Amino acid sequence: DVKVTQSSRYLVKRTGEKVFLECVQDMDHENMFWYRQDPGLGLRLIYFSYDVKMKEKGDIPEGYSVSREKKERFSLILESASTNQTSMYLCASSSTLRQGWNTEAFFGQGTRLTVV
Amino acid sequence: AQSVTQLDSHVSVSEGTPVLLRCNYSSSYSPSLFWYVQHPNKGLQLLLKYTSAATLVKGINGFEAEFKKSETSFHLTKPSAHMSDAAEYFCVVRGSSASKIIFGSGTRLSIRP
Repeated sequence: DVKVTQSSRYLVKRTGEKVFLECVQDMDHENMFWYRQDPGLGLRLIYFSYDVKMKEKGDIPEGYSVSREKKERFSLILESASTNQTSMYLCASSSTLRQGWNTEAFFGQGTRLTVV
Repeated sequence: AQSVTQLDSHVSVSEGTPVLLRCNYSSSYSPSLFWYVQHPNKGLQLLLKYTSAATLVKGINGFEAEFKKSETSFHLTKPSAHMSDAAEYFCVVRGSSASKIIFGSGTRLSIRP
């Protein structure tokens, strides 16, 4: 079974703190994604990575950055946390063209981040 | 570019009656399309996927969806709703190669006893 593991289920941080959310997948997938989920808005793509050290902005990248130094790990960084970044954050991974581009994304359990 | 629109934010049906959750997509390429389900306080689970084989796709728990290119639609159906189907459902589109996976805004399905 594919496993996507997010380092924390719940996190409480203060405004202005630098926050790191970690995600690890064990299926050698090339693609990894970070989404945030808010009621009524579905899942919105923050960033995705299609290879080590490669990244592309999603629909809402402002206030976030990412790091992919190893294939299995994709980190989301909130440079200076703000209250409007309180949300559920979901990491996903999937295979890409050489591996079968039409496969689905596999998701972690999510990190519920509260910024106070 | 690709996008997906779920036409209903909330659908309520009686137990035992049919379910229809509507989804329209836009894609520059021949897309892959998916439906995911999320039960309260649970993770996302894949219900079914279309990947350019048969246009009628069968998924888990009795759900199915039909890909209609002329209508750019991928509606999700189930003949008879069960109380356990109450959840949020997401329609998802993916374009070519190493591309973004885009989610719709979700449809909350409620089942009346």
